[in-house]
Amino acid sequence: EDQVTQSPEALRLQEGESSSLNCSYTVSGLRGLFWYRQDPGKGPEFLFTLYSAGEEKEKERLKATLTKKESFLHITAPKPEDSATYLCAVQADTNAGKSTFGDGTTLTVKP
Amino acid sequence: GAGVSQSPRYKVAKRGQDVALRCDPISGHVSLFWYQQALGQGPEFLTYFQNEAQLDKSGLPSDRFFAERPEGSVSTLKIQRTQQEDSAVYLCASSPGGASLGYTFGSGTRLTVV
Repeated sequence: EDQVTQSPEALRLQEGESSSLNCSYTVSGLRGLFWYRQDPGKGPEFLFTLYSAGEEKEKERLKATLTKKESFLHITAPKPEDSATYLCAVQADTNAGKSTFGDGTTLTVKP
Repeated sequence: GAGVSQSPRYKVAKRGQDVALRCDPISGHVSLFWYQQALGQGPEFLTYFQNEAQLDKSGLPSDRFFAERPEGSVSTLKIQRTQQEDSAVYLCASSPGGASLGYTFGSGTRLTVV
C-alpha cells in the first residue's frame, strides 16, 4: 500500500528564515510526486510534479527536490503570504488515477 | 468557467438523509476525481472518471456512496442515508488528460451530518 508521511506537522518561521519540509514515501513504482499548497477553506493548489530521483523544480521562493525515498520542499526567505498547508502526494504507475496524500505541513510565517 | 466549481459550498444533513454534491470541472478536462478530506488530514481518494467512464471506485467507503458523470462533464457524488462519519469536505478535481499531471481542485463542499 502506498504511504506518504510529512514532517513536521507544523512549522513556524520568521519572515526571511529559510527552511525545508519533508515528504517520505513508499510506493510500488513511482509515476509522479506532487506538491500542493492549501489555504484555509480552499482546495489544494498544484505547485510541482517530480518524476524521477535527482529532479528539481523551482517557483519563486519554493524549490522541490526528489530522491528515491523522499522529497523536500525548500522555502527560501519566506514571506507571510507563504503561510499555508503544504501537501505532498504520490501516484503509483500501477494506478494512474489515484493520488495518495500525506497529512500536510502547516507553515506559519511571522512578519 | 476558469476553475472547478462545486456546489453547494456547505451542506447540513440530518442523519439518514440523502445528499447530492455537484462538480463542474474545467471545460475540456478529460479526467475528474473525487476526494474526501477530514479536518486536519490530507485528501483521501474516492473515485476517478475518464470522460464518462468510472475507471476506479475503490475509495468509496461503502455502497451508500455513488458517483456519476453521464455526459463526461458535470459529475455528481451522491451519499445515501448519511451517517455522522460522512461529515467531511468533499473535493472535486479535474485534469486535462494523463493522470500524472497535477490536478485543479475546486473549493470543496463541507458536509456536516447532524
